[in-house]
Amino acid sequence: EPEVTQTPSHQVTQMGQEVILRCVPISNHLYFYWYRQILGQKVEFLVSFYNNEISEKSEIFDDQFSVERPDGSNFTLKIRSTKLEDSAMYFCASSEGSGGSEKLFFGSGTQLSVL
Amino acid sequence: GESVGLHLPTLSVQEGDNSIINCAYSNSASDYFIWYKQESGKGPQFIIDIRSNMDKRQGQRVTVLLNKTVKHLSLQIAATQPGDSAVYFCAENGNRDDKIIFGKGTRLHILP
Repeated sequence: EPEVTQTPSHQVTQMGQEVILRCVPISNHLYFYWYRQILGQKVEFLVSFYNNEISEKSEIFDDQFSVERPDGSNFTLKIRSTKLEDSAMYFCASSEGSGGSEKLFFGSGTQLSVL
Repeated sequence: GESVGLHLPTLSVQEGDNSIINCAYSNSASDYFIWYKQESGKGPQFIIDIRSNMDKRQGQRVTVLLNKTVKHLSLQIAATQPGDSAVYFCAENGNRDDKIIFGKGTRLHILP
C-alpha cells in the first residue's frame, strides 16, 4: 500500500538553527500538508499546499516557516531559526483530492527537538 | 477557539466488549468528518469518514454515527481487541476545502 514517507525520523538542533524536514507524499496525490503535535496534545494544522502554492496556513505558520516542492516527489518544511517551542512531532500528509473532502494520509512523523 | 472536542480523555474497555468514543463539534458548517487512530510513535491512521448528508456509516468492525442536531460524532468499535489500543481523534473540515481540524483525542485502553 502506498504511504507517505518522512525523513529524518528524529532531528535534534540548537536554538536558532535552520532545519529542513522532508517528505515524500503518495505519488498520485495533489494536495500536501504539514501538521505538528506537541507531546500529549492534539494534532495542529500548519499549512496546506496545492498547485505549487500555499492554499491555507495557520497562525503557527509564521515567517520562520516555509514549504517547498522542489521536484516532482519531495515536499519540505523549513524552519529558518528554530525556537524551543518548535519542539514537536511534525507530520506530513497528502490527499488525492482537497483535504476538506478527502481523507488525508499521514507519514510517521519527524520528532524535532530544539535544545 | 476549539471547533472540535472530546468528552473523555481516556476510555478503558474490556477486551471483546464494544467501545464507543464520542466527539462534539461546534462548527455547524462542517460537512466532512473523519476518525483517525494514532498508535504510539506513529502518524494518524485513517479509520472511517462520513459526510454530512449521512448519519451512519459502517466499516470493518467500526461504525461512525453523526448527529447534526446536537453536533455529535461517535465511533463504535465492535469486539474490541488489544490492537485497538491507541489514541483516537475526530477531525472536521469546518466547511473548508483545504484542511481538516483535529480534536484533542481519546486514549482507548483495553483491559485483559
